[in-house]
Amino acid sequence: GENVEQHPSTLSVQEGDSAVIKCTYSDSASNYFPWYKQELGKGPQLIIDIRSNVGEKKDQRIAVTLNKTAKHFSLHITETQPEDSAVYFCAASLYNFNKFYFGSGTKLNVKP
Amino acid sequence: DAMVIQNPRYQVTQFGKPVTLSCSQTLNHNVMYWYQQKSSQAPKLLFHYYDKDFNNEADTPDNFQSRRPNTSFCFLDIRSPGLGDAAMYLCATSISDREYEQYFGPGTRLTVT
Repeated sequence: GENVEQHPSTLSVQEGDSAVIKCTYSDSASNYFPWYKQELGKGPQLIIDIRSNVGEKKDQRIAVTLNKTAKHFSLHITETQPEDSAVYFCAASLYNFNKFYFGSGTKLNVKP
Repeated sequence: DAMVIQNPRYQVTQFGKPVTLSCSQTLNHNVMYWYQQKSSQAPKLLFHYYDKDFNNEADTPDNFQSRRPNTSFCFLDIRSPGLGDAAMYLCATSISDREYEQYFGPGTRLTVT
Protein backbone atom coordinates (compact mmCIF):
# COMPACT_ATOMS: atom_id res chain seq x y z
CA GLY A 1 0.00 0.00 0.00
CA GLU A 2 0.86 3.68 -0.06
CA ASN A 3 3.31 5.10 2.49
CA VAL A 4 3.53 8.84 3.15
CA GLU A 5 6.41 10.34 5.09
CA GLN A 6 6.31 13.90 6.39
CA HIS A 7 9.11 16.17 7.65
CA PRO A 8 9.81 17.91 9.89
CA SER A 9 7.72 16.74 12.82
CA THR A 10 8.01 20.15 14.46
CA LEU A 11 8.81 23.52 12.95
CA SER A 12 9.26 26.80 14.74
CA VAL A 13 9.47 30.06 12.78
CA GLN A 14 9.35 33.75 13.53
CA GLU A 15 6.27 35.66 12.50
CA GLY A 16 6.70 36.90 8.94
CA ASP A 17 9.11 34.15 7.95
CA SER A 18 8.29 31.35 5.52
CA ALA A 19 7.60 27.75 6.47
CA VAL A 20 8.09 24.67 4.31
CA ILE A 21 6.79 21.18 5.06
CA LYS A 22 7.76 18.24 2.87
CA CYS A 23 6.13 14.91 2.14
CA THR A 24 7.15 11.91 0.09
CA TYR A 25 4.92 9.10 -1.14
CA SER A 26 5.67 5.64 -2.40
CA ASP A 27 2.91 4.70 -4.86
CA SER A 28 3.22 6.33 -8.28
CA ALA A 29 -0.52 5.69 -8.81
CA SER A 30 -1.42 8.33 -6.22
CA ASN A 31 -2.97 11.29 -7.96
CA TYR A 32 -4.43 13.61 -5.32
CA PHE A 33 -2.52 15.36 -2.54
CA PRO A 34 -4.42 17.44 0.03
CA TRP A 35 -3.02 19.40 2.95
CA TYR A 36 -5.01 19.71 6.15
CA LYS A 37 -4.61 22.08 9.08
CA GLN A 38 -5.71 20.85 12.48
CA GLU A 39 -6.02 23.21 15.40
CA LEU A 40 -6.07 21.91 18.94
CA GLY A 41 -9.30 20.09 19.74
CA LYS A 42 -10.72 20.50 16.22
CA GLY A 43 -11.09 18.36 13.12
CA PRO A 44 -8.73 18.75 10.16
CA GLN A 45 -9.58 21.50 7.69
CA LEU A 46 -8.51 21.39 4.06
CA ILE A 47 -6.25 24.33 3.23
CA ILE A 48 -5.01 23.45 -0.24
CA ASP A 49 -4.81 20.46 -2.55
CA ILE A 50 -3.16 19.48 -5.80
CA ARG A 51 -3.80 16.87 -8.44
CA SER A 52 -1.13 14.93 -10.27
CA ASN A 53 -1.61 16.78 -13.56
CA VAL A 54 -0.48 20.05 -11.94
CA GLY A 55 2.98 20.97 -10.69
CA GLU A 56 2.13 23.93 -8.49
CA LYS A 57 -0.89 25.60 -6.97
CA LYS A 58 -1.11 28.81 -4.98
CA ASP A 59 -3.77 30.36 -2.77
CA GLN A 60 -2.74 33.67 -1.24
CA ARG A 61 0.02 32.91 1.28
CA ILE A 62 -0.15 29.16 0.77
CA ALA A 63 1.33 27.15 -2.09
CA VAL A 64 1.85 23.49 -2.84
CA THR A 65 4.37 22.01 -5.26
CA LEU A 66 4.39 18.48 -6.64
CA ASN A 67 7.27 16.57 -8.20
CA LYS A 68 5.80 13.37 -9.62
CA THR A 69 9.14 12.01 -10.77
CA ALA A 70 10.67 12.27 -7.33
CA LYS A 71 7.32 11.47 -5.64
CA HIS A 72 7.38 14.34 -3.25
CA PHE A 73 5.21 17.38 -2.57
CA SER A 74 5.65 20.38 -0.33
CA LEU A 75 3.57 23.00 1.46
CA HIS A 76 4.88 26.55 1.48
CA ILE A 77 3.47 29.20 3.80
CA THR A 78 4.78 32.74 3.34
CA GLU A 79 4.50 35.69 5.73
CA THR A 80 3.54 33.38 8.58
CA GLN A 81 1.22 34.66 11.29
CA PRO A 82 0.59 33.37 14.83
CA GLU A 83 -2.80 32.00 13.70
CA ASP A 84 -0.94 29.68 11.32
CA SER A 85 0.22 27.75 14.40
CA ALA A 86 -1.34 24.29 14.18
CA VAL A 87 -0.59 20.72 13.12
CA TYR A 88 -0.42 20.23 9.36
CA PHE A 89 -1.03 16.88 7.68
CA CYS A 90 -0.27 15.92 4.14
CA ALA A 91 -2.05 13.03 2.47
CA ALA A 92 -1.98 11.03 -0.74
CA SER A 93 -4.91 9.36 -2.42
CA LEU A 94 -4.79 6.51 -4.91
CA TYR A 95 -6.51 6.81 -8.24
CA ASN A 96 -10.10 5.65 -8.39
CA PHE A 97 -10.49 5.27 -4.66
CA ASN A 98 -10.86 8.10 -2.19
CA LYS A 99 -8.81 6.63 0.64
CA PHE A 100 -6.35 9.05 2.19
CA TYR A 101 -2.95 7.97 3.41
CA PHE A 102 -1.86 10.63 5.90
CA GLY A 103 1.61 11.74 6.83
CA SER A 104 2.53 11.81 10.51
CA GLY A 105 1.95 15.56 10.87
CA THR A 106 4.02 18.69 11.43
CA LYS A 107 3.47 20.91 14.43
CA LEU A 108 4.08 24.48 13.27
CA ASN A 109 4.73 27.14 15.88
CA VAL A 110 4.81 30.75 14.70
CA LYS A 111 6.41 32.98 17.30
CA PRO A 112 5.16 36.56 17.49
CA ASP B 1 -24.23 26.44 7.07
CA ALA B 2 -23.74 23.00 5.59
CA MET B 3 -21.47 21.03 7.81
CA VAL B 4 -20.43 17.81 9.53
CA ILE B 5 -21.63 17.55 13.11
CA GLN B 6 -20.41 15.13 15.74
CA ASN B 7 -22.02 14.39 19.06
CA PRO B 8 -21.02 14.32 21.75
CA ARG B 9 -17.80 16.30 21.56
CA TYR B 10 -16.51 14.53 24.67
CA GLN B 11 -17.48 11.06 25.79
CA VAL B 12 -16.35 9.16 28.86
CA THR B 13 -17.08 5.45 29.10
CA GLN B 14 -16.02 2.63 31.33
CA PHE B 15 -13.80 -0.22 30.29
CA GLY B 16 -15.96 -2.78 28.49
CA LYS B 17 -19.10 -0.63 28.43
CA PRO B 18 -20.52 -0.19 24.90
CA VAL B 19 -20.51 3.31 23.53
CA THR B 20 -21.96 4.94 20.42
CA LEU B 21 -20.67 8.05 18.71
CA SER B 22 -22.78 9.88 16.16
CA CYS B 23 -22.14 11.93 13.07
CA SER B 24 -24.56 13.89 10.94
CA GLN B 25 -24.07 15.91 7.79
CA THR B 26 -26.05 18.52 5.95
CA LEU B 27 -23.87 18.32 2.83
CA ASN B 28 -25.88 15.48 1.30
CA HIS B 29 -22.65 13.65 0.54
CA ASN B 30 -22.72 10.01 -0.50
CA VAL B 31 -19.62 8.90 1.37
CA MET B 32 -19.05 8.99 5.12
CA TYR B 33 -15.84 7.98 6.86
CA TRP B 34 -14.79 7.19 10.41
CA TYR B 35 -11.22 7.86 11.49
CA GLN B 36 -9.43 7.17 14.76
CA GLN B 37 -6.77 9.68 15.78
CA LYS B 38 -4.57 9.02 18.77
CA SER B 39 -2.52 11.72 20.40
CA SER B 40 0.13 13.24 18.12
CA GLN B 41 -0.68 10.76 15.34
CA ALA B 42 -2.26 10.96 11.91
CA PRO B 43 -5.90 10.02 11.45
CA LYS B 44 -6.35 6.33 10.74
CA LEU B 45 -9.26 5.18 8.59
CA LEU B 46 -11.50 2.62 10.29
CA PHE B 47 -14.21 2.22 7.62
CA HIS B 48 -16.39 4.12 5.24
CA TYR B 49 -19.81 3.97 3.64
CA TYR B 50 -20.55 4.70 0.03
CA ASP B 51 -24.29 5.17 0.29
CA LYS B 52 -25.29 1.99 2.15
CA ASP B 53 -22.28 -0.02 1.02
CA PHE B 54 -20.00 -0.64 3.99
CA ASN B 55 -16.23 -0.87 3.50
CA ASN B 56 -14.14 -2.04 6.41
CA GLU B 57 -10.38 -1.51 6.59
CA ALA B 58 -8.52 -4.80 6.95
CA ASP B 59 -6.89 -3.84 10.23
CA THR B 60 -9.97 -2.39 11.93
CA PRO B 61 -10.70 -4.45 15.06
CA ASP B 62 -13.99 -6.36 15.22
CA ASN B 63 -14.76 -4.34 18.33
CA PHE B 64 -15.63 -1.42 16.05
CA GLN B 65 -18.90 -1.43 14.13
CA SER B 66 -20.80 1.17 12.17
CA ARG B 67 -24.33 1.91 11.06
CA ARG B 68 -25.66 4.30 8.48
CA PRO B 69 -29.45 4.39 8.69
CA ASN B 70 -29.80 7.18 6.12
CA THR B 71 -27.73 9.60 4.06
CA SER B 72 -27.42 12.13 6.85
CA PHE B 73 -26.40 10.00 9.82
CA CYS B 74 -23.64 7.57 10.61
CA PHE B 75 -22.83 5.91 13.94
CA LEU B 76 -19.70 4.36 15.35
CA ASP B 77 -20.30 1.60 17.88
CA ILE B 78 -17.51 0.36 20.11
CA ARG B 79 -18.77 -2.87 21.61
CA SER B 80 -16.28 -3.34 24.44
CA PRO B 81 -13.97 -0.35 24.74
CA GLY B 82 -10.48 -0.95 26.02
CA LEU B 83 -8.02 1.57 27.36
CA GLY B 84 -6.28 1.53 23.98
CA ASP B 85 -9.43 2.80 22.29
CA ALA B 86 -9.14 6.19 23.96
CA ALA B 87 -8.72 8.60 21.07
CA MET B 88 -10.28 11.33 18.99
CA TYR B 89 -12.82 9.91 16.56
CA LEU B 90 -13.30 11.91 13.40
CA CYS B 91 -16.15 11.69 10.95
CA ALA B 92 -15.65 12.91 7.40
CA THR B 93 -17.73 13.09 4.23
CA SER B 94 -17.12 13.41 0.51
CA ILE B 95 -19.43 13.82 -2.44
CA SER B 96 -18.53 10.47 -3.90
CA ASP B 97 -15.66 8.03 -3.97
CA ARG B 98 -14.44 9.74 -7.11
CA GLU B 99 -14.58 13.28 -5.76
CA TYR B 100 -11.60 13.90 -3.65
CA GLU B 101 -12.17 16.50 -0.98
CA GLN B 102 -13.08 15.17 2.44
CA TYR B 103 -14.84 17.39 4.94
CA PHE B 104 -14.10 16.63 8.57
CA GLY B 105 -16.24 17.12 11.62
CA PRO B 106 -14.83 18.52 14.89
CA GLY B 107 -14.34 15.05 16.38
CA THR B 108 -15.41 13.24 19.55
CA ARG B 109 -12.80 12.82 22.26
CA LEU B 110 -13.33 9.40 23.86
CA THR B 111 -11.95 8.66 27.30
CA VAL B 112 -12.02 5.10 28.69
CA THR B 113 -11.80 4.73 32.45
